[in-house]
Amino acid sequence: TQLLEQSPQFLSIQEGENLTVYCNSSSVFSSLQWYRQEPGEGPVLLVTVVTGGEVKKLKRLTFQFGDARKDSSLHITAAQPGDTGLYLCAGAEGGATNKLIFGTGTLLAVQP
Amino acid sequence: NAGVTQTPKFQVLKTGQSMTLQCAQDMNHEYMSWYRQDPGMGLRLIHYSVGAGITDQGEVPNGYNVSRSTTEDFPLRLLSAAPSQTSVYFCASALRVNQPQHFGDGTRLSIL
Repeated sequence: TQLLEQSPQFLSIQEGENLTVYCNSSSVFSSLQWYRQEPGEGPVLLVTVVTGGEVKKLKRLTFQFGDARKDSSLHITAAQPGDTGLYLCAGAEGGATNKLIFGTGTLLAVQP
Repeated sequence: NAGVTQTPKFQVLKTGQSMTLQCAQDMNHEYMSWYRQDPGMGLRLIHYSVGAGITDQGEVPNGYNVSRSTTEDFPLRLLSAAPSQTSVYFCASALRVNQPQHFGDGTRLSIL
């Protein structure tokens, strides 16, 4: 079973600060997804990255897939209270297994 | 469009009881999966299915059974409930494993 480690586990910052969340594995993924989850709800997809080295931007959020497709990062610029939530990365195993494995999660709190 | 529907939303069981968590989707998705989420943590894959009649084990399958007799439905059965199975259970569906996953609202299960 592949293990996806996210860091940091918890992050509490002030509005306007920048932050980066990391998602690391020793294994290669065919694609990697990022989700945000709010209390009492299911995760909601933010972005999917497929190609090694790929960078995608979603307003103030920048996602990068590592060149070797083993890791990814999420950078938030000028965080806002509305960014508060649990951020989850999820890697799709290639080949015949068809598993989507989620990371350990990063709980972000943005204080006004 | 209902999306992914999970029932029940809440359930309390006694140790040793069995029950079935229901999951239905109306998007004609081939890929469906069950995850459990413990407080402040990411999601762990229990079982998944790539199409009707096909199921496979995830990271934490012990104590759970699934079946996929139709494209729409993917029930999760707890055979003999244990306190360690107290968790929030999420069902998800997608066209394929590397496509955006659509989650239900979750079932909050407590085992006494």
